[in-house]
Amino acid sequence: GENVEQHPSTLSVQEGDSAVIKCTYSDSASNYFPWYKQELGKGPQLIIDIRSNVGEKKDQRIAVTLNKTAKHFSLHITETQPEDSAVYFCAASGGSEKLVFGKGTKLTVNP
Amino acid sequence: GAGVSQTPSNKVTEKGKYVELRCDPISGHTALYWYRQSLGQGPEFLIYFQGTGAADDSGLPNDRFFAVRPEGSVSTLKIQRTERGDSAVYLCASSPNGGSYGYTFGSGTRLTVV
Repeated sequence: GENVEQHPSTLSVQEGDSAVIKCTYSDSASNYFPWYKQELGKGPQLIIDIRSNVGEKKDQRIAVTLNKTAKHFSLHITETQPEDSAVYFCAASGGSEKLVFGKGTKLTVNP
Repeated sequence: GAGVSQTPSNKVTEKGKYVELRCDPISGHTALYWYRQSLGQGPEFLIYFQGTGAADDSGLPNDRFFAVRPEGSVSTLKIQRTERGDSAVYLCASSPNGGSYGYTFGSGTRLTVV
């Protein structure tokens, strides 16, 4: 089955800097790659997603890139703000209904 | 409703007891999912409903776990003979038509088995 590896597990940046989180997946049939943000005591919230027919997608300060050949995808957050502090999860899906998640990255943005 | 609602938000039970966790999906969403999130881990898939039927229950860890969605809306996750290893946050999500796109998660039920 699909396996998703995510790193780093923790990331600390200064406000205004960029943050990058990387994930790799194992199943070449996977074609949908969402990113979720989870704040303490809340459920994961979808922030951006990408499908395998595109290589990059951007939404304001957030962007995701996908390299199908290498089977990895990354989340880029620019001009980080303290409210970006949370745990971020990548996930992959290969046409079934279930998402396979990475173990998460705890991002801390220091003011 | 405006979002996915899960009740209770916290549940403490004794080892060996039976528990039920409830999920109210977004109105009109036909697909409903249960995930389990252990401390420091990502969510892990348990079961998926399309309408009233469990279309994929491959993530249920054993036969102590069971879920229903009798009218195609509210779902209940049932755990028999709870064990300390069942302690986790149980998350419910719904989506308009399935296909793993556009999940909306609830805030989860934190289950603690003592």
